[in-house]
Amino acid sequence: GQNIDQPTEMTATEGAIVQINCTYQTSGFNGLFWYQQHAGEAPTFLSYNVLDGLEEKGRFSSFLSRSKGYSYLLLKELQMKDSASYLCAVSDSNYQLIWGAGTKLIIKP
Amino acid sequence: GAVVSQHPSWVICKSGTSVKIECRSLDFQATTMFWYRQFPKQSLMLMATSNEGSKATYEQGVEKDKFLINHASLTLSTLTVTSAHPEDSSFYICSASPVTGDVSPLHFGNGTRLTVT
Repeated sequence: GQNIDQPTEMTATEGAIVQINCTYQTSGFNGLFWYQQHAGEAPTFLSYNVLDGLEEKGRFSSFLSRSKGYSYLLLKELQMKDSASYLCAVSDSNYQLIWGAGTKLIIKP
Repeated sequence: GAVVSQHPSWVICKSGTSVKIECRSLDFQATTMFWYRQFPKQSLMLMATSNEGSKATYEQGVEKDKFLINHASLTLSTLTVTSAHPEDSSFYICSASPVTGDVSPLHFGNGTRLTVT
């Protein structure tokens, strides 16, 4: 079967750095997405990785290792507004999105 | 660009009634739109894939006669929850992409919070 694993919840301090991991087992791979979802709102797109390596976009970076079936989202200089759920999703061989359950990130002052 | 509009944002209805939710792509054409449901503290669950001009494809366990999907144009898909019950109360979200058959970020509507009393 297809499976996406990510931690249920993480806590970090304002101004610090946090890394949210995602591991996946899917039938085929056409890229991995990270989305941010604030409570009661729809997800918004953060990043897309299809090749191995690190993609940096401001305070957020995303890393992919296809051989390990592993990705992480790195958030730097954390702000209170970064408190949200972060969803990992993989596009499989049929371009169907397989979603992780999401990681709830709690930022403390 | 790539804006998806969903209406209404929230709705309260009585048990046994039907509710229609609209999803529009405002600045692009979408041959395919996706309908998701999300219960509190759970991830997105794909309900169905809406295809313009043809029947929707429903995920296993989703009743097609209860959740009616119509995708009559390239910019509009509707989801009708028929004979709603309290267990149908959830957050319904539509999404679409300007590109089909390829990897492209999904753009989500703002969601509709349905409460059935």
